[in-house]
Amino acid sequence: AQSVAQPEDQVNVAEGNPLTVKCTYSVSGNPYLFWYVQYPNRGLQFLLKYITGDNLVKGSYGFEAEFNKSQTSFHLKKPSALVSDSALYFCAVRDAYSSASKIIFGSGTRLSIRP
Amino acid sequence: SAVISQKPSRDICQRGTSLTIQCQVDSQVTMMFWYRQQPGQSLTLIATANQGSEATYESGFVIDKFPISRPNLTFSTLTVSNMSPEDSSIYLCSVEDQRGGLDTQYFGPGTRLTVL
Repeated sequence: AQSVAQPEDQVNVAEGNPLTVKCTYSVSGNPYLFWYVQYPNRGLQFLLKYITGDNLVKGSYGFEAEFNKSQTSFHLKKPSALVSDSALYFCAVRDAYSSASKIIFGSGTRLSIRP
Repeated sequence: SAVISQKPSRDICQRGTSLTIQCQVDSQVTMMFWYRQQPGQSLTLIATANQGSEATYESGFVIDKFPISRPNLTFSTLTVSNMSPEDSSIYLCSVEDQRGGLDTQYFGPGTRLTVL
């Protein structure tokens, strides 16, 4: 069975500082990993994904994420936070080897960037 | 990526009535999904809707309560039947975009439902 965990309900960062939103996963095979962002009263927007290849994945709005197989993690990062980054972030995983596998979402982390 | 629209964007309904939510995609997609999300919380998959076959429902969701139509490769509807206040939620349509591989899901803007 596959699962994904976001251990932090909320992350608070000052504008201009680096940010990290944590995600760990569990799958029986190799993972496909995703990050989505949800702004207030909006649907989920795709940020980035890891399928294979380079462990450092770059996505929209200056975000990046690093796949770490030994730690089964896929933390989302940004070198310099903006107030406009304040939103709800979801990590998601699916099993790459199972065409029938569903994408599983984490519980979400609310990112708050203070001016 | 696929562009997805949903109608209505929000609605306030009376207990015991039904609401049909429409999802329109700008390209043909095989797999469409319906999710429910309590504000600020994670997503719960209701069902998977493939064109030409019956929708597949997740545990805890049944066709009588959430009938789904998928008449073609760009459109689907979800009906929330005989509503109660517990059905108040955000309902999200999602598609799996096959351009670039069967791996990424994209979401519509959601329908915010309040049942009184």
